[in-house]
Amino acid sequence: GAGVSQSPSNKVTEKGKDVELRCDPISGHTALYWYRQSLGQGLEFLIYFQGNSAPDKSGLPSDRFSAERTGGSVSTLTIQRTQQEDSAVYLCASSLVGTSGGDTDTQYFGPGTRLTVL
Amino acid sequence: GDSVTQMEGPVTLSEEAFLTINCTYTATGYPSLFWYVQYPGEGLQLLLKATKADDKGSNKGFEATYRKETTSFHLEKGSVQVSDSAVYFCALRYSGGYQKVTFGTGTKLQVIP
Repeated sequence: GAGVSQSPSNKVTEKGKDVELRCDPISGHTALYWYRQSLGQGLEFLIYFQGNSAPDKSGLPSDRFSAERTGGSVSTLTIQRTQQEDSAVYLCASSLVGTSGGDTDTQYFGPGTRLTVL
Repeated sequence: GDSVTQMEGPVTLSEEAFLTINCTYTATGYPSLFWYVQYPGEGLQLLLKATKADDKGSNKGFEATYRKETTSFHLEKGSVQVSDSAVYFCALRYSGGYQKVTFGTGTKLQVIP
């Protein structure tokens, strides 16, 4: 596609429910990243994918968070048993991967999913 | 670890005023530097970038120069417009492979007519 897309754009859920957030990266981008933007925390890195694998999951805030990517394209971020502190905007980004420089440095962001946990 | 520090906001300016948003970074290596902008209700957009020391990134009248000696990447614009009202994020990222972006906390700019 022309850009990174995310769905849903807004999600309101009740505490304790599970939610799934979807990201569709730019076609041909092998790298995919998830970030969270919350009040008082700024933008924090959650996880990245190279192809379908996620070598570094250390940014995930708890074991209630998980993510997968299939076919080297679409990724889903799942939050189980949501808590009010999970309320935030979840951003996805994708990029090319190369040795150095050029557009491989640039991550392109989607519009985000605003999650509100009541 | 690596970090990015931005000046606190919000910054309020009159239209046509000169803008500077300060950004300094701490890095163990030689990252690329970025400014991203988030307009109200929209996602993050890349505004400009610089990949090595003394490079100047520019876009839409905004400029920033990669200063290795002062570890800075200050954003400037000579004459702001109301449409520039947004949150601006300074960021760094290393080149090559899979690298996360490290963001500053963001600076909100409000331009009044």
